[in-house]
Amino acid sequence: AQSVSQHNHHVILSEAASLELGCNYSYGGTVNLFWYVQYPGQHLQLLLKYFSGDPLVKGIKGFEAEFIKSKFSFNLRKPSVQWSDTAEYFCAVNVYSGAGSYQLTFGKGTKLSVIP
Amino acid sequence: DGGITQSPKYLFRKEGQNVTLSCEQNLNHDAMYWYRQDPGQGLRLIYYSQIVNDFQKGDIAEGYSVSREKKESFPLTVTSAQKNPTAFYLCASSMGGHTDTQYFGPGTRLTVL
Repeated sequence: AQSVSQHNHHVILSEAASLELGCNYSYGGTVNLFWYVQYPGQHLQLLLKYFSGDPLVKGIKGFEAEFIKSKFSFNLRKPSVQWSDTAEYFCAVNVYSGAGSYQLTFGKGTKLSVIP
Repeated sequence: DGGITQSPKYLFRKEGQNVTLSCEQNLNHDAMYWYRQDPGQGLRLIYYSQIVNDFQKGDIAEGYSVSREKKESFPLTVTSAQKNPTAFYLCASSMGGHTDTQYFGPGTRLTVL
């Protein structure tokens, strides 16, 4: 079965620091990749997604992610974080699960705390 | 106001009782999903439904049941057979294709006493 690994459980940064959250997946076929974010007290929402084409994907709020197929990675980056980026971030992989169905598998999440 | 609603936000039940969590969407999405979120565990798929009157087990279906009688509704029943039911439950929906984004509801926090 496919799995998704997020390397850091909790990351603490000062405002204006650069961010990179690691995500690796274990599936050799075609994948669709997502980063979701859960701000405190809010719904889980999509940050960005990759299906095909340019491996550098830009999302909302200045986030971007790079798909590196040879490394099975989809790391999330932001050049300068703000206090409002404090949230939990989830990487997810959508793979074919048979009978015309696709299943989204999530990583365990990374909590980001940004200190003003 | 389009979206996914889950009710109630907080739910308390005694051990041994079945409980049903509600999920409704007005996005006209074909597919609906139930996830369980535990601290440090991410989201794990319980059940999903690609179309009305059809659903499949996810990774952790034991102790849960679902129905999909209407396109907009996908209730989840947590049965007494679920050994560790206290958790945060999230419902999601999507158009159903592999490239489609899943949209999530606000969640229901279930506590079994």
